Amino acid sequence: GAVVSQHPSWVICKSGTSVKIECRSLDFQATTMFWYRQFPKQSLMLMATSNEGSKATYEQGVEKDKFLINHASLTLSTLTVTSAHPEDSSFYICSARRGYGYTFGSGTRLTVV
Amino acid sequence: AQKVTQAQTEISVVEKEDVTLDCVYETRDTTYYLFWYKQPPSGELVFLIRRNSFDEQNEISGRYSWNFQKSTSSFNFTITASQVVDSAVYFCALSSEYGNKLVFGAGTILRVKS
Repeated sequence: GAVVSQHPSWVICKSGTSVKIECRSLDFQATTMFWYRQFPKQSLMLMATSNEGSKATYEQGVEKDKFLINHASLTLSTLTVTSAHPEDSSFYICSARRGYGYTFGSGTRLTVV
Repeated sequence: AQKVTQAQTEISVVEKEDVTLDCVYETRDTTYYLFWYKQPPSGELVFLIRRNSFDEQNEISGRYSWNFQKSTSSFNFTITASQVVDSAVYFCALSSEYGNKLVFGAGTILRVKS
């Protein structure tokens, strides 16, 4: 139980285009989901917390207009990287809270060329 | 503010050696949760353990064991008789009682050589 499905697992896009990453809780309802970014050989840095039906809360230094988060249902949160640039290339991981635990998606490796 | 420190950036051991990964945390909360995750090269985070602040009992699961000491704010992880498959990045993490967010340490790269 407590499975979070994240798609796509990897994506290559051209600079200036937008990319959408989906995170779905398959067997439970996730009122709160988290989006993390991980650069090579670094830790996971929280980008934002999304709550179903309300605006996401972004961490300091994260551009909300660039990283659009939508949590329209209890099982789906999406992260859209708008006007992507090479410096946005990273590993993005979503997580859903269930009770006092956290379930993570398998991650999306974004490469912007 | 919450903070997790994993001072060991990288550890290399030879197979069958025991290895301990250190984790020191900071929090003002009286109720909190500590976690360990394993991240193999594939990138997916593998949950290893969750411990709440009121449970200081050490835990053993197969070759894995955890030592939680509130007095020193530490939650160390020991792998006994390490194996090559244990090679990965290990993260220690902390959340508050209300689980608003999970704060990760910098991670420790473990390399187990055959």
